[in-house]
Amino acid sequence: ETGVTQSPTHLIKTRGQQVTLRCSSQSGHNTVSWYQQALGQGPQFIFQYYREEENGRGNFPPRFSGLQFPNYSSELNVNALELDDSALYLCASSPPRAGSNTGELFFGEGSRLTVL
Amino acid sequence: AQSVTQLDSQVPVFEEAPVELRCNYSSSVSVYLFWYVQYPNQGLQLLLKYLSGSTLVKGINGFEAEFNKSQTSFHLRKPSVHISDTAEYFCAVSEGSGYSTLTFGKGTMLLVSP
Repeated sequence: ETGVTQSPTHLIKTRGQQVTLRCSSQSGHNTVSWYQQALGQGPQFIFQYYREEENGRGNFPPRFSGLQFPNYSSELNVNALELDDSALYLCASSPPRAGSNTGELFFGEGSRLTVL
Repeated sequence: AQSVTQLDSQVPVFEEAPVELRCNYSSSVSVYLFWYVQYPNQGLQLLLKYLSGSTLVKGINGFEAEFNKSQTSFHLRKPSVHISDTAEYFCAVSEGSGYSTLTFGKGTMLLVSP
């Protein structure tokens, strides 16, 4: 069983630039969530994608956007990068919804973004 | 809205000693509770989860946690820690509202020394 994979693992950008992060969900999982983890903090929910549509969003501005593809992989795009966007970006997938949704997520290793 | 409070940002302990990492949550509905571990430069790995049933939950690597509804707590324990347990530990809550959204605490760094 293939786990959640993310790319790139590390990248450096400058203020005002745009970045795209990629995520392949775990085999059989159709829901992908993105989290931002700033240094010394817990992960913060950005948004979730299900059936190629955004299905829930945290307190992040519109310059954070995403996509989900038919194979359930996903992208996170951030426009007009700011210094505070420097963080570890975690992708997590979850299995198809059953009668009881437990909320358990399976995380990738993350993409560490540094904005200079 | 739900929230999670991890009362200790850092817990130093000697190898083979017992440890407890504290977690309190607030929510207006029934919740599911999780503990995740994060080793340096890695993603999050699930240690254990409480969904329903027995309030004492056993996880991987010898960890266990007890759900206490009246105190809205979900403390993590291990009777004897190893150097390799040094990591960041995150408590998280989900309301199981139809889509999988976790709210995390700020984390507790467990530092195990010889």
